[in-house]
Amino acid sequence: SQKIEQNSEALNIQEGKTATLTCNYTNYSPAYLQWYRQDPGRGPVFLLLIRENEKEKRKERLKVTFDTTLKQSLFHITASQPADSATYLCAPMFSGGYNKLIFGAGTRLAVHP
Amino acid sequence: DTAVSQTPKYLVTQMGNDKSIKCEQNLGHDTMYWYKQDSKKFLKIMFSYNNKELIINETVPNRFSPKSPDKAHLNLHINSLELGDSAVYFCASSHLTRRTAGNTIYFGEGSWLTVV
Repeated sequence: SQKIEQNSEALNIQEGKTATLTCNYTNYSPAYLQWYRQDPGRGPVFLLLIRENEKEKRKERLKVTFDTTLKQSLFHITASQPADSATYLCAPMFSGGYNKLIFGAGTRLAVHP
Repeated sequence: DTAVSQTPKYLVTQMGNDKSIKCEQNLGHDTMYWYKQDSKKFLKIMFSYNNKELIINETVPNRFSPKSPDKAHLNLHINSLELGDSAVYFCASSHLTRRTAGNTIYFGEGSWLTVV
């Protein structure tokens, strides 16, 4: 069955450093991969989408990579700030499907001043 | 204005009761979803409707019944509530375009259901 793995442990980093979160998937080949942010007590919020033919996508301080050979996506936040503290969810999905996103359990990021 | 709104935000009820959660979106999307997030924080899809037609129906007990009166509304009715139904239920919506799958999903703020 399809499986998505994200760092289960919280990631603690110092303000100003680069945070790198990992998403690994097995048993399927998604055409797209999305990243969402979830704050405590709130719903997930979309951040970035990357397609299988894209190696890298950037948006301001965010960068996502997608390696279909390794079956892995990396999510980077450069110059991290305490306001970046949240849980980050990855969600690979198929092309032509019914937008059925399958979410990883998420990685909790804590950025310390 | 809230894009995807769901009510109630908090719901505490006894086992065996029947309850409903309502959801509305004002984004003009044609597809709506119900997701369940359990205590381990896994976010799992339950149902999806496209233009009032059920298109995704995951392995969910038939005590859960979604209803979509129109494409801007998707309600979730739960019969005979059990302790294990305690979770956060998220409504969401998106545009569904098969040729450009991967469209952004917009989530509501969640409904915290506690069954005692």
